[in-house]
Amino acid sequence: RKEVEQDPGPFNVPEGATVAFNCTYSNSASQSFFWYRQDCRKEPKLLMSVYSSGNEDGRFTAQLNRASQYISLLIRDSKLSDSATYLCVEFTGNQFYFGTGTSLTVIP
Amino acid sequence: NAGVTQTPKFQVLKTGQSMTLQCAQDMNHEYMSWYRQDPGMGLRLIHYSVGAGITDQGEVPNGYNVSRSTTEDFPLRLLSAAPSQTSVYFCASRTVAAEAFFGQGTRLTVV
Repeated sequence: RKEVEQDPGPFNVPEGATVAFNCTYSNSASQSFFWYRQDCRKEPKLLMSVYSSGNEDGRFTAQLNRASQYISLLIRDSKLSDSATYLCVEFTGNQFYFGTGTSLTVIP
Repeated sequence: NAGVTQTPKFQVLKTGQSMTLQCAQDMNHEYMSWYRQDPGMGLRLIHYSVGAGITDQGEVPNGYNVSRSTTEDFPLRLLSAAPSQTSVYFCASRTVAAEAFFGQGTRLTVV
């Protein structure tokens, strides 16, 4: 049973575009969620936590929908430097469960 | 700030060889984990530790051993390498439910 499902993409968007990623999870009792960013051949790094009320960090907005069991990440005004793979992460049972990642390429 | 340090960064092994991947953290984190990342599979947990002297199996533990003699170090041992263990390995550390910090990864090829 896969814990976390993500659309692998790739998403190819022009600079300045708005792009959204969704991620579904299967455990309704899961405690916390995160978005990680992974650049090519690098380690994952925390982008932002996801709070129940939704949260924003600059151009990035994360939302959690517990009723439908999905989380989302919205990136506004995309920059070339946003090109990366975005990993959805579910924290449950004292463990992290990672999605396979969604690949984003921002095109000049 | 060192954070999580993994060595080596690259390694080629022959089938049947053994080796140890090293992981050290300087953040005094209780939790340390080893993951492998394969194309289309995401990060999968191999083994983890909740403190010195305590280790447990994750999702894909077969063929790997770990030990945690100190808070700082969490080595991963491949007992008899197989081509199926070709992967990128990441070590991570964290506190109870906080951000996981990853090492830079070890790219292992088994031929």
